[in-house]
Amino acid sequence: GENVEQHPSTLSVQEGDSAVIKCTYSDSASNYFPWYKQELGKGPQLIIDIRSNVGEKKDQRIAVTLNKTAKHFSLHITETQPEDSAVYFCAALNYGQNFVFGPGTRLSVLP
Amino acid sequence: GAVVSQHPSRVICKSGTSVKIECRSLDFQATTMFWYRQFPKQSLMLMATSNEGSKATYEQGVEKDKFLINHASLTLSTLTVTSAHPEDSSFYICSARTGGNYGYTFGSGTRLTVV
Repeated sequence: GENVEQHPSTLSVQEGDSAVIKCTYSDSASNYFPWYKQELGKGPQLIIDIRSNVGEKKDQRIAVTLNKTAKHFSLHITETQPEDSAVYFCAALNYGQNFVFGPGTRLSVLP
Repeated sequence: GAVVSQHPSRVICKSGTSVKIECRSLDFQATTMFWYRQFPKQSLMLMATSNEGSKATYEQGVEKDKFLINHASLTLSTLTVTSAHPEDSSFYICSARTGGNYGYTFGSGTRLTVV
């Protein structure tokens, strides 16, 4: 089955700096890779996703890159703000199967 | 956008009692809903998949007699934790497939504390 690894487990950055979180997956059949933001006591919120036929996707300060050959994908947040502080989860999905989530990264943006 | 409403957000119950958690799709029909469990500082672990009108499919290691799932309509799925014990204390989250190949929306979660 699919296995998703995520690094780092914790990340602290100064406000305005960039943050990068990396994930690797094991199942080459996975073709959808979402990123979720989870604030304390709340459910995960989709912030960006990418499908296997695309190498990069950007939405304002957030971008995701995918390397299918190497089976890894990354989340990039630029100009970080204190409200970006949360736990971020990557996930991999093969349509018809279930999500497999990474272990999460706790991001702290220091003012 | 698609909204999944989950209630209650927090519940405290005594050991040995049962607790029901509801997950409703507000503006779409969800033929498939998913239930996850999340321990503190850990990732989401899929417990079961429920399909409207049929029995839920449970992941390995999840007790189907303890975690009863009912998906009786296209807009409502419920998870009942029966004979709850302190080790059942956790954050439970539902998710629904909203349509298309990859549309999924998560509920806001339920913090269950068993005392």
